[in-house]
Amino acid sequence: QLVESGGGLVQPGGSLRLSCAASGFTLSAYSMHWVRQAPGKGLQYVSAISYGGGSTYYADSVEGRFTISRDNSKNTLYLQMGSLRLEDMAVYFCARVGINSAFDMWGQGTMVTVSS
Amino acid sequence: EIVMTQSPATLSVSLGERATLSCRASQSVSSNLAWYQQKPGQAPRLLIYGASTRATGIPARFSGSGSGTEFTLTISSLQSEDFAVYSCQQYNNWPRTFGQGTKLEIK
Repeated sequence: QLVESGGGLVQPGGSLRLSCAASGFTLSAYSMHWVRQAPGKGLQYVSAISYGGGSTYYADSVEGRFTISRDNSKNTLYLQMGSLRLEDMAVYFCARVGINSAFDMWGQGTMVTVSS
Repeated sequence: EIVMTQSPATLSVSLGERATLSCRASQSVSSNLAWYQQKPGQAPRLLIYGASTRATGIPARFSGSGSGTEFTLTISSLQSEDFAVYSCQQYNNWPRTFGQGTKLEIK
């Protein structure tokens, strides 16, 4: 399973680091992604990282402000978020890419609230 | 960026009836299309990948079809637990974009 943590209330311009702890499988064998969902809205793609961490991808809306990383020795995925904006407020999910290339496992999500 | 458009936004169907949900891509995504089910307060669950292959443990009443730009998710006989939001996602191009979702509600 995947378990996110690190969400909370942060002021505009602030920073937050999300974690996604994997259990029951070896994280290093999988590419991983972050997806977010603003209240009452659809799913929005955020970022991706290859299984070894050598390749990353970011949506335009977070490029330069967010950094995805992983520590395979700790079976944990991270999302460092900076210069947070009101529009970044959402539930953030981590998701595993299966052999079928779809997202076959999701965490329960962690809420990030951006407010002054 | 490939835009995924789902229709309708809301679909009202009776128990035991068939539901047909549509997803259109702004350009071809081949068969690299997945469907997810999401219930309130829960994470999405993978239903279909490769446009038509059911994920592990998904009942046979769920089926997917299509390729290129037009895709359909069909639920053959709705059960009470099927009422949820359904989202499509393409994984042919970066970014891996999602549709805005179709809310399936009880009629």
